[in-house]
Amino acid sequence: DIQMTQSPSTLSASVGDRVTITCRASQSISSWLAWYQQKPGKAPKLLIYKASNLESGVPSRFSGSGSGTEFTLTISSLQPDDFATYFCQQYYSYRTFGQGTKVEIK
Amino acid sequence: EVQLVESGGGLVQPGGSLRLSCAVSGFTFRTSTMNWVRQAPGKGLEWLSYITNINGGKNYADSVKGRFAISSDGASNSLYLQMNNLRAEDTAVYYCARDRAPGGDAFDIWGQGTMVTVSS
Repeated sequence: DIQMTQSPSTLSASVGDRVTITCRASQSISSWLAWYQQKPGKAPKLLIYKASNLESGVPSRFSGSGSGTEFTLTISSLQPDDFATYFCQQYYSYRTFGQGTKVEIK
Repeated sequence: EVQLVESGGGLVQPGGSLRLSCAVSGFTFRTSTMNWVRQAPGKGLEWLSYITNINGGKNYADSVKGRFAISSDGASNSLYLQMNNLRAEDTAVYYCARDRAPGGDAFDIWGQGTMVTVSS
């Protein structure tokens, strides 16, 4: 099974900060990676698919990069609505989620 | 409107069974790949199973293989998850979700979730 490891688990940041979250796969998954945002009590929301493609309606301050085993999600200028938990997911072989990164207010 | 609506959650005793449903509207269900994902209280997301409606292909996470069964009904545009021999660790919110494209993709549409509590 493919394992996904996110870092950090928690990130404290301020509005306007540039934020980067990393996701590592236990084996190569090419570009078959997605990023989701989840707020308390809500379903996850797709942000990025195929490592770097922005889902329709998602603000352009979100971007994704990487391939193989290492991937990043970047928020270029953190907004109040962005304080949430973020998950990566591989869909190269079945599907596996990372453990999540909580972005909290500094 | 594109929508997924889960139902069927509730309180069940250890060893018991439950069947979850996911009502689909707003897109062509018969060509979609659909998934079940769960989230234990305060924990992360765990993918459980998918079904590719166009050919009936199915797969399961090891944690539920042999206990859970995914199925779908094109006539009623519904997805199901039959859960047997439930354990305390199956307590979670259960979500249905759609692949962006059939056959393996990110999940672009999610339901609101239904809570399953396994407890005596």
